[in-house]
Amino acid sequence: NAGVMQNPRHLVRRRGQEARLRCSPMKGHSHVYWYRQLPEEGLKFMVYLQKENIIDESGMPKERFSAEFPKEGPSILRIQQVVRGDSAAYFCASSPAGNEQYFGPGTRLTVT
Amino acid sequence: KNEVEQSPQNLTAQEGEFITINCSYSVGISALHWLQQHPGGGIVSLFMLSSGKKKHGRLIATINIQEKHSSLHITASHPRDSAVYICAISSGSARQLTFGSGTQLTVLP
Repeated sequence: NAGVMQNPRHLVRRRGQEARLRCSPMKGHSHVYWYRQLPEEGLKFMVYLQKENIIDESGMPKERFSAEFPKEGPSILRIQQVVRGDSAAYFCASSPAGNEQYFGPGTRLTVT
Repeated sequence: KNEVEQSPQNLTAQEGEFITINCSYSVGISALHWLQQHPGGGIVSLFMLSSGKKKHGRLIATINIQEKHSSLHITASHPRDSAVYICAISSGSARQLTFGSGTQLTVLP
């Protein structure tokens, strides 16, 4: 059973471009969480999704950020018109039932 | 005040020492998690507990619900234990995690 997969592992974008981060949960897991770790800061919750539904997006910035978890395929975190302050490590975690969470290796986004 | 407070922020130990990292929280929880973040950045879930004590190898986690406090112990520490240890709580229906700021552990040979 493969673990949580995230790709790309490293992503470089110029200011104003779009960033798409992908997360494939563990087999059988239908709950996905996205967290962000800014440089020299702790992890912060962004959004919680179940298949085809956003359950809680209270931690996500209101503008430029969106997330989806379609019926087929990975969960996607999309950042439009990236700015330098978006540079961070983005982790997703999957869970079978909203309890124990298994983390992916993260995507390190650098905005130049 | 953060909902999750960890201490110490930094900890240096000699190989073989017994290590304790503390975590206090201020809200009701459904579970408390201990995570390990490696120097390369990956995160591993060590424990999820809602009462009592759990043990895995040289790692022991305890929680006192009444006092809203948890401890992570490492026995016979080894340089490969060097990492950031993060306490996190899950609460509410969404069970999303709220994290402490982490404890940077360095174990010297």
